[in-house]
Amino acid sequence: RKEVEQDPGPFNVPEGATVAFNCTYSNSASQSFFWYRQDCRKEPKLLMSVYSSGNEDGRFTAQLNRASQYISLLIRDSKLSDSATYLCVVNVWGGSQGNLIFGKGTKLSVKP
Amino acid sequence: DGGITQSPKYLFRKEGQNVTLSCEQNLNHDAMYWYRQDPGQGLRLIYYSQIVNDFQKGDIAEGYSVSREKKESFPLTVTSAQKNPTAFYLCASSNPRRGDTDTQYFGPGTRLTVL
Repeated sequence: RKEVEQDPGPFNVPEGATVAFNCTYSNSASQSFFWYRQDCRKEPKLLMSVYSSGNEDGRFTAQLNRASQYISLLIRDSKLSDSATYLCVVNVWGGSQGNLIFGKGTKLSVKP
Repeated sequence: DGGITQSPKYLFRKEGQNVTLSCEQNLNHDAMYWYRQDPGQGLRLIYYSQIVNDFQKGDIAEGYSVSREKKESFPLTVTSAQKNPTAFYLCASSNPRRGDTDTQYFGPGTRLTVL
């Protein structure tokens, strides 16, 4: 079983749409969770950390479900500039100096 | 400005040659990492270092070597023993002693092509 799994997409949505991505992880001891955004041929950039209570940053909402071992990202009112690949990232060891496992990413394309 | 720099942005190498990729950070981060990314694939960890003069192999260390003589520098050498070196190489750093312990921040990457 892969450690972090994501639907590769692509998700093709019109501007203004709401879109949701899910990600599942296999290590129940994982403690830290993140969503990164990666533009074509660029480096990944941190979008948001994911906390147990869920968190929201503007149009973006992240949720964590430990019982089912999945993480979600919701984007409301999609913009053309949201087009990118979204990487789900999980800490493997659950400790302060553990290493991160990256999903392969979900590609989002927002159309006018 | 604080950040992570990688050079060069593009690198071409002939088969059989070693090549060294540079990674420098002025964020005062203790930990540094090297990943490679192939098309349509996730990032895979090559080497990481949690402190100066110490480093550990990641999942795909064969054919690579690193050094960590200074806190701000973590160069990666791609040796001729690496069978498929063409890839996008990303360097990252983090500061495990902060409250936000394992968030990693990336440099702009080096795209290596073997001719």
